[in-house]
Amino acid sequence: SQQGEEDPQALSIQEGENATMNCSYKTSINNLQWYRQNSGRGLVHLILIRSNEREKHSGRLRVTLDTSKKSSSLLITASRAADTASYFCATDVWRNTPLVFGKGTRLSVIA
Amino acid sequence: EPEVTQTPSHQVTQMGQEVILRCVPISNHLYFYWYRQILGQKVEFLVSFYNNEISEKSEIFDDQFSVERPDGSNFTLKIRSTKLEDSAMYFCASSEEGSGNTIYFGEGSWLTVV
Repeated sequence: SQQGEEDPQALSIQEGENATMNCSYKTSINNLQWYRQNSGRGLVHLILIRSNEREKHSGRLRVTLDTSKKSSSLLITASRAADTASYFCATDVWRNTPLVFGKGTRLSVIA
Repeated sequence: EPEVTQTPSHQVTQMGQEVILRCVPISNHLYFYWYRQILGQKVEFLVSFYNNEISEKSEIFDDQFSVERPDGSNFTLKIRSTKLEDSAMYFCASSEEGSGNTIYFGEGSWLTVV
C-alpha cells in the first residue's frame, strides 16, 4: 500500500507557535498533496508537491518532500486559532491513479 | 472561485433504500471522483470517472454502487440498497487532468443509514 501516515496523530500548540506535521508513505509516488479539513466539512487543498521537488511555500505554509526517506512535512508558521483542523497528506503513484489519504493530524491552536 | 458543489448536504435513509448523491464538478474539469469518510476515519477512494466511463474503482465500490454523468454538468453516485455501514460522508471531487493536478473536493454529503 502507498498509504500515507501522518505523525503526530494530534498536536496542540499555542497561537503564534509553529506547527509541524509529518507524513510517511510506502511506495514511490508521483505527487504528494496536503489537505485541511475543518470538523464535519470538506477537504480544502493546501499545496501539491511533485516528486522532483524538494520544497514549496504558500503563504504561511512550507512543505518539504524527501523521496529517499519517503516522507513529507507540512510546517504552518505563526499559527492562528483558525488553523485548528485536521490535516491530511495524500499521494498518487502515477497518472490517473487515485489519491490515497493518510489518517490525518488533528491540530488544535489555542488562543 | 469555481467550486465543486454537492447535494444533499445531509440525508437520512432507511436501510435497504436507494440513495442518489449529486455533484456538480468544476466546469472545465475532466476527471471526477467519489471518496468517502466514515466518521473519525480516513478518507477512502471509491471511484474515478473519465470520458464517460469508470477509470478506476476500489474494493469498496461493489455492485451496490454506480456512478453516472447524466448530462454535461452533473455527476451522481447511486447506492442501490443501503446498509448501515454505508453511513459516511461522501465527497465528490474533480480535477482538470488526471493524477498530477490538484484535485478539488466538495463539502460532502453526510449519509446516515438507520
